[in-house]
Amino acid sequence: IAGITQAPTSQILAAGRRMTLRCTQDMRHNAMYWYRQDLGLGLRLIHYSNTAGTTGKGEVPDGYSVSRANTDDFPLTLASAVPSQTSVYFCASSEFPSSSAGTDTQYFGPGTRLTVL
Amino acid sequence: GQNIDQPTEMTATEGAIVQINCTYQTSGFNGLFWYQQHAGEAPTFLSYNVLDGLEEKGRFSSFLSRSKGYSYLLLKELQMKDSASYLCAVRDSNYQLIWGAGTKLIIKP
Repeated sequence: IAGITQAPTSQILAAGRRMTLRCTQDMRHNAMYWYRQDLGLGLRLIHYSNTAGTTGKGEVPDGYSVSRANTDDFPLTLASAVPSQTSVYFCASSEFPSSSAGTDTQYFGPGTRLTVL
Repeated sequence: GQNIDQPTEMTATEGAIVQINCTYQTSGFNGLFWYQQHAGEAPTFLSYNVLDGLEEKGRFSSFLSRSKGYSYLLLKELQMKDSASYLCAVRDSNYQLIWGAGTKLIIKP
């Protein structure tokens, strides 16, 4: 593994089903993030984690939950999927917690394309 | 509210120069980022500005004016591979990135 991996690459899901999107990084980064990207809109932050064991809510957290049991993994769970959650989901990581300044670059995984019918 | 504005789409010719503008209104400012995103791929980091002025990195340069809430990304000697979306993002007072919708750049031969 090099960088950030996400699984699955794409998924079609029936409304009401539970779904977990997986994200793993091997850069030993402290901070991790989940975004959704919709046509015509900027990336929107769903949840983030500054360090293992801590999580925080972003701009659009409703309907999603996360956990950060260790440094490498940051799964995103949709408890009961709805069609408005159809989107491309990107996981990202950065070396320092989001509360730090400076050129702390976020590195992105390849994304998961999710369709909820 | 917080807002990042970029043109939706721009067209330029191979070998030419193009300037992509970004204006922002955010709660606080802790740096501005430019990312490149090819269709169907992840965003990748291009540049970072926190002080006023120009940052140059090869064919790409980025400018910032904090007093005007304005930045631009300048791409020189355009190549076909530069066809992509360019995303402007501002780190706000909560140190979260606020993203623009992106500018789709089309390069024509």
